[in-house]
Amino acid sequence: EIVMTQSPATLSVSPGERATLSCRASQSISSNLAWYQQKPGQAPRLLIYGASTRAAGIPARFSGSGSGTEFTLTIGSLQSEDFAVYYCQQYDNWPPFTFGQGTRLEIK
Amino acid sequence: QVTLRESGPALVKPTQTLTLTCTFSGFSLSTSGMCVSWIRQPPGKALEWLALIDWDEDTYYNTSLKTRLTISKDPSKNQVVLTMTNMDPVDTATYYCARIRSWSDAWFDPWGQGTLVTVSS
Repeated sequence: EIVMTQSPATLSVSPGERATLSCRASQSISSNLAWYQQKPGQAPRLLIYGASTRAAGIPARFSGSGSGTEFTLTIGSLQSEDFAVYYCQQYDNWPPFTFGQGTRLEIK
Repeated sequence: QVTLRESGPALVKPTQTLTLTCTFSGFSLSTSGMCVSWIRQPPGKALEWLALIDWDEDTYYNTSLKTRLTISKDPSKNQVVLTMTNMDPVDTATYYCARIRSWSDAWFDPWGQGTLVTVSS
């Protein structure tokens, strides 16, 4: 089973600033990584797939990068609606699909 | 527009069997490559993948829960059903269903709204 590790657990950033979230896989997953955003009381929403491709309707301030075992989600110029929990998920080697433990992005 | 909606009991007793239904629209689970999966999330915790059924009725399960899970589909009703036996309070979670468009593009999109299941006597 591939273990996904996200860091940090909590990230405090001021509105208008940039946020950088990390996700590490326990073995190479090529670019088979997705990122999701989850707001309180809501289902996760797909942001990024293929490590760097934005899903339909996702603003350009969201960008993903990385391959192999190291991945980054960058949110430029944070808006109030961006404060949420973010999860990464690998789909390179399944079953099982595995998720990271999440990064909570909070307002500083 | 693709939508999924979970339904089932909000409360089950320990040792009972949970049956959840995912009703979907906007796609066909008979289309080659198409899959529906179940994922759960205990309150305040991370996401855990549970099971998947594909267009060919092949099924896949989380190894740690495999003996308790059964996933099936009813194409005529556009539904996927998940049963989980021998429920325990640690199974208290929001249960989501989600679509996967193909084996190689195996990200979850979209998700249903989720249904909270509490296990308590």
